[in-house]
Amino acid sequence: DIQMTQSPSTLSASVGDRVTITCRASQSISSWLAWYQQKPGKAPKLLIYKASSLESGVPSRFSGSGSGTEFTLTISSLQPDDFATYYCQQYNSYRTRTFGQGTKVEIK
Amino acid sequence: EVQLVESGGGLVQPGGSLRLSCAASGFTFSSYAMSWVRQAPGKGLEWVSAISGSGGSTYYADSVKGRFTISRDNSKNTLYLQMNSLRAEDTAVYYCAKDQGPDSSDAFDIWGQGTMVTVSS
Repeated sequence: DIQMTQSPSTLSASVGDRVTITCRASQSISSWLAWYQQKPGKAPKLLIYKASSLESGVPSRFSGSGSGTEFTLTISSLQPDDFATYYCQQYNSYRTRTFGQGTKVEIK
Repeated sequence: EVQLVESGGGLVQPGGSLRLSCAASGFTFSSYAMSWVRQAPGKGLEWVSAISGSGGSTYYADSVKGRFTISRDNSKNTLYLQMNSLRAEDTAVYYCAKDQGPDSSDAFDIWGQGTMVTVSS
């Protein structure tokens, strides 16, 4: 099975900071990677699909990049509404779709 | 409005059974694959099972294979998860999620609000 590893697990940042989260796959997944945002007590929300495609309605300060085994989610200027937990997910293998362990973005 | 609403969660004893439902509205249900994703208290997301839009193909995580069964009724716009032989480690919020496409090979663009399943004696 494909394993997904996110780093860091926790990130402390201030409003206005540029934030980058990394996701590594245990084998190549081409560009079949999504990023989700989850706030406490709420369902996850799709931000990015196919590694770099912005989901409709998601602010342009969110961007994704990468292919193969290395991927990044970047928030260009962190806003108060962005403090949340972020998950990557591979969907290269439709038999099993794996999530990373999550990265919590906290207020510094 | 595109919406998914889960139901059927609750408290069940170890070894027991439970059936979750997910009612879909606002889109052509049969055109999209669907999945169940769970989240144990304080933990991350775990994909559980998926079913193609037609219902002809199903997939399971190793952790639930042989115990859980996913199904759908496209005439009722409803997704199901039959959970048997439940264990304490199945305790989680269970979300249904809509695939971007029909073949269980895309990201999840719509999620339900979740239903809590607690397995305890």
